[in-house]
Amino acid sequence: ETGVTQTPRHLVMGMTNKKSLKCEQHLGHNAMYWYKQSAKKPLELMFVYSLEERVENNSVPSRFSPECPNSSHLFLHLHTLQPEDSALYLCASSPSYLDRSNYGYTFGSGTRLTVV
Amino acid sequence: AQSVAQPEDQVNVAEGNPLTVKCTYSVSGNPYLFWYVQYPNRGLQFLLKYITGDNLVKGSYGFEAEFNKSQTSFHLKKPSALVSDSALYFCAVRDMRGGKLIFGQGTELSVKP
Repeated sequence: ETGVTQTPRHLVMGMTNKKSLKCEQHLGHNAMYWYKQSAKKPLELMFVYSLEERVENNSVPSRFSPECPNSSHLFLHLHTLQPEDSALYLCASSPSYLDRSNYGYTFGSGTRLTVV
Repeated sequence: AQSVAQPEDQVNVAEGNPLTVKCTYSVSGNPYLFWYVQYPNRGLQFLLKYITGDNLVKGSYGFEAEFNKSQTSFHLKKPSALVSDSALYFCAVRDMRGGKLIFGQGTELSVKP
């Protein structure tokens, strides 16, 4: 275990469903990140939270809605998704957004999402 | 703008042979560089990083990376590849403005027996 836990590991949802992905970190980190990883494509940074405040939103469609209720938890709420949204969604954390310690990121194992 | 490039989508190596996974970077100022590995359906795992000091950095699982400032490269190496090294490898550089990591597109390493 890395200290970053993502649930569920696998999710199949219809285009009209509403579901949520959960990420929890036990490392005392203050920054959390959502990445999308599609087959044969690079990592796409979606959202960044620092001390529960969203600091980056990289042109992500509104059908993805993040929530960070505290520094240990991060959610990604999903609604009316498209088949092309099928991907591995990765959560990561770091001590701080600016990461002056150069600690790097700690990743969870991801949620494999399939939209049917 | 800060960036990293991994010029090879795939690297094939025979077990026992040395392996190299290439990474070049473009940054203003001193670079902070990282390597991560991803096994199938898993998250990325930290391998090693270069912040300052010796140009040869040693990391997990017998991997090492050589920082070359003149060539702006940070290639990942291992003297003797194992089949279990087969995975997706990502190079990353820290964005000096905002602090976040910028990842390369990944290189798939395949080690055959």
